[in-house]
Amino acid sequence: NAGVMQNPRHLVRRRGQEARLRCSPMKGHSHVYWYRQLPEEGLKFMVYLQKENIIDESGMPKERFSAEFPKEGPSILRIQQVVRGDSAAYFCASSLQGAREKLFFGSGTQLSVL
Amino acid sequence: AQTVTQSQPEMSVQEAETVTLSCTYDTSESNYYLFWYKQPPSRQMILVIRQEAYKQQNATENRFSVNFQKAAKSFSLKISDSQLGDTAMYFCAFILIQGAQKLVFGQGTRLTINP
Repeated sequence: NAGVMQNPRHLVRRRGQEARLRCSPMKGHSHVYWYRQLPEEGLKFMVYLQKENIIDESGMPKERFSAEFPKEGPSILRIQQVVRGDSAAYFCASSLQGAREKLFFGSGTQLSVL
Repeated sequence: AQTVTQSQPEMSVQEAETVTLSCTYDTSESNYYLFWYKQPPSRQMILVIRQEAYKQQNATENRFSVNFQKAAKSFSLKISDSQLGDTAMYFCAFILIQGAQKLVFGQGTRLTINP
């Protein structure tokens, strides 16, 4: 059973471009979470999704950021018009029964904005 | 709001020694879970140990054990017989039993095991 797959591992964008980060959860997992990690800091919750539904987006910036988890295909975190402050590692996690049980994390996408 | 604090940014010990990482948290709730996650250089977060707040018995997983002091809101991780592969960032995390399904993480402790 493959783990949580995130791609790309590294993504470089210029200011104003769009960034698309992909996450394929573990097989059978319907709960997906996105977290952001700034340098030398812990992970900060962004959004929680189940298939085709956003359950909690309280950690998402109100503008430029969006997330989806379609019926088919990976979960996508989309950042429009990136700025330097968006540079961070973005982690996806999935679980079978929710975050209070075991979360399985991907290896993250390191976004660098030039 | 819940907060998690790890007061040791870095620690370093010799292989085979025992090391304890500190974590304190703040919440007005009484029912929650606590976790320790390991982040090696590969960057992938790996669950080390999980503790239910309603259980008085401290959780253990092989060489890893916790000292959970609910009244003091303290949750330290003890690594016995440390190994080179234990070198990593360690994050303490908290989640309420009811309500939002979001982990709150501490800032992390960078642990280095020296040969």
